[in-house]
Amino acid sequence: GAVVSQHPSRVICKSGTSVKIECRSLDFQATTMFWYRQFPKQSLMLMATSNEGSKATYEQGVEKDKFLINHASLTLSTLTVTSAHPEDSSFYICSARVTGLAVEQYFGPGTRLTVT
Amino acid sequence: AQSVTQLDSQVPVFEEAPVELRCNYSSSVSVYLFWYVQYPNQGLQLLLKYLSGSTLVESINGFEAEFNKSQTSFHLRKPSVHISDTAEYFCAVSTSGTYKYIFGTGTRLKVLA
Repeated sequence: GAVVSQHPSRVICKSGTSVKIECRSLDFQATTMFWYRQFPKQSLMLMATSNEGSKATYEQGVEKDKFLINHASLTLSTLTVTSAHPEDSSFYICSARVTGLAVEQYFGPGTRLTVT
Repeated sequence: AQSVTQLDSQVPVFEEAPVELRCNYSSSVSVYLFWYVQYPNQGLQLLLKYLSGSTLVESINGFEAEFNKSQTSFHLRKPSVHISDTAEYFCAVSTSGTYKYIFGTGTRLKVLA
């Protein structure tokens, strides 16, 4: 149980284009999902907290107009990287928390974004 | 504000030897503590967690961690490691209400034959 999927697993896009990453909780409902960014051999940095039916909460220093987050249902959150640049190349990981009092997060397998 | 420190960035150990990966945290409120494991190019898998109750928690694959409130630590141990345990291990802390995680910088465990 508690499986989270991400799509795509890898994406290459040209500078200036936008790319959408999907995060799905497959066997549970997730009121809250989180988006992280991980640079090579580094830890995960929380970008934003996504709550179903409301606006995402972004961490300090994260551009909300560049990283658009939509959490339209209890099983799906999307991250759109708009006008991507090479410095946006990274490993993006989402996680989901089971609706209710559960504390732990379940992580997706990640999406490797390369901007050329 | 909370913070998590994993002092060891890399830990090499021979197969079947014991290992301890250290994690210390800082928080002014009660915390929940987690260990996650990450294999190359994959997401994170929950290894074990401390929410409340018994301070010693165990995973199904032989790892254990002990919550020590006085030392603000949550060290991860395994009495005998396998080659397949080679991975990156992250310690994380969370508090009630926000459910946000603060991650440590990770420890790369390399098990040698």
